[in-house]
Amino acid sequence: VQLVESGGGLVQPGGSLRLSCAASGFTFSRHWMSWIRQAPGNGLEWVANIKQDGSEIYYVDSVKGRFTISRDNAKNSLYLQMNSLGAEDTAVYYCARIAKSEMGIIRRDFDYWGQGTLVTVSS
Amino acid sequence: DIQMTQSPSSLSLSVGDRVTITCRASQSISSYLNWYQQKPGKAPKVLIYAASSVQSGVPSRFSGSGSGTDFTLTITSLQPEDFATYYCQQSYTTPWTFGQGTKVEVK
Repeated sequence: VQLVESGGGLVQPGGSLRLSCAASGFTFSRHWMSWIRQAPGNGLEWVANIKQDGSEIYYVDSVKGRFTISRDNAKNSLYLQMNSLGAEDTAVYYCARIAKSEMGIIRRDFDYWGQGTLVTVSS
Repeated sequence: DIQMTQSPSSLSLSVGDRVTITCRASQSISSYLNWYQQKPGKAPKVLIYAASSVQSGVPSRFSGSGSGTDFTLTITSLQPEDFATYYCQQSYTTPWTFGQGTKVEVK
């Protein structure tokens, strides 16, 4: 299993950025996926979840209306479109797989994580 | 939102010590509680899921217990590779929330 994020970088306040996460080594279309972020020197913050077929999506309140999580199962890819960025969005952004049991039941924990991509919002 | 409070925030310990970290939820979360270990510059790694189930490949010195609002992560004999920051996380309801972390440092 491998998750590789890309798309991070320096962006001005009010700007936009699109993060990507390339998945391999597992059947991507069978797993819920998530974005989680970590501000420098701080703890972890869950950002969003997306169901296998994209039919259910959940966000933390602080990003609702600004961020959009999406996926392309044909490309084994997860995305996070981030608009109206502010300094408070500066963080390492991780994509993570939501685990499933051997019986195929969702476990609701993150069993694989990418290495993270740093987003810095600054003028 | 469900608030997750870990204690202590940091621990200074020696190899071989027993470690107990607690996590309290602001409301009942049944057993939807997970524990992660994070080392500097690395992504977190799941240790315990569903409060007490040990992730495959995780050493048996790690265990978890609790239900409802009070949970515990225990390391029976601290090893050099266990010095890290530990986070609890509830997945009972969105927004899924993490505790603030407990840093286990070398004494």
